[in-house]
Amino acid sequence: ETGVTQSPTHLIKTRGQQVTLRCSSQSGHNTVSWYQQALGQGPQFIFQYYREEENGRGNFPPRFSGLQFPNYSSELNVNALELDDSALYLCASSSKDRGQHEQYFGPGTRLTVT
Amino acid sequence: RKEVEQDPGPFNVPEGATVAFNCTYSNSASQSFFWYRQDCRKEPKLLMSVYSSGNEDGRFTAQLNRASQYISLLIRDSKLSDSATYLCVSTRGGSNYKLTFGKGTLLTVNP
Repeated sequence: ETGVTQSPTHLIKTRGQQVTLRCSSQSGHNTVSWYQQALGQGPQFIFQYYREEENGRGNFPPRFSGLQFPNYSSELNVNALELDDSALYLCASSSKDRGQHEQYFGPGTRLTVT
Repeated sequence: RKEVEQDPGPFNVPEGATVAFNCTYSNSASQSFFWYRQDCRKEPKLLMSVYSSGNEDGRFTAQLNRASQYISLLIRDSKLSDSATYLCVSTRGGSNYKLTFGKGTLLTVNP
C-alpha cells in the first residue's frame, strides 16, 4: 500500500450540488496532486498543491478548487456539479523537495452525479 | 493530437507469452517517463520508471527512444496476475511535475 488515503470511497450527488473530497498524503511527502479519471480514460491532471499553494493547474474550470493544509493533507472542492463530473477522483502524493517525479496514488473517490 | 498515445488494445495473450506495449509522446520537453499499472476499479500503481539506457525489472523491460519520442514496455513469460491496464506516463521538469497519462492498454492473460 502507498499510505495515501482518500475519503469518502464513494459518493452520489445531484447536479448543481457541491462536493468536497479529502486526501492524506504519504508520510514524508509534501506535494499532493489531484486527477480525474473518466471511465475508459487515463487520469487527467486537475491541479497540484505544494506548501499549501496551488502549483500548477490542468484544463479544468474554476469551479474545481482545492486546499492543502499544514500537515500536507488536501481537499478537492467541486461546485455546481455537472453530469460529466462523474468520475474516479485520484490524489497522488510525492516529495518535490527530494526531486522525486514518482507519484503514489490513493484508492480514489468514485463520484456519481445524477 | 493527444500528448501521450498508446496502443489502443485490448491485448489477449496466453500465459507465458511475451507482450509489448508501445507509446509515443508529442511534447519534446517531456523529461521523465513511467509505466503505471491499474487493476479494474483500483488506483494506478507505479510499475517502473523508464530511462534512456533502458531498464529491466524481472520480467519487465522498459525502453525510451528520445529521438523517436517513443516508449515501450515488454512483459516476458506473462502471468495471469499481469492482467491489468497499463498506462504510459510522461512528465516535464520545472516546478510542476504534472503527470500526463495515455489512455491505457488493457491486457488480459488467459490460462
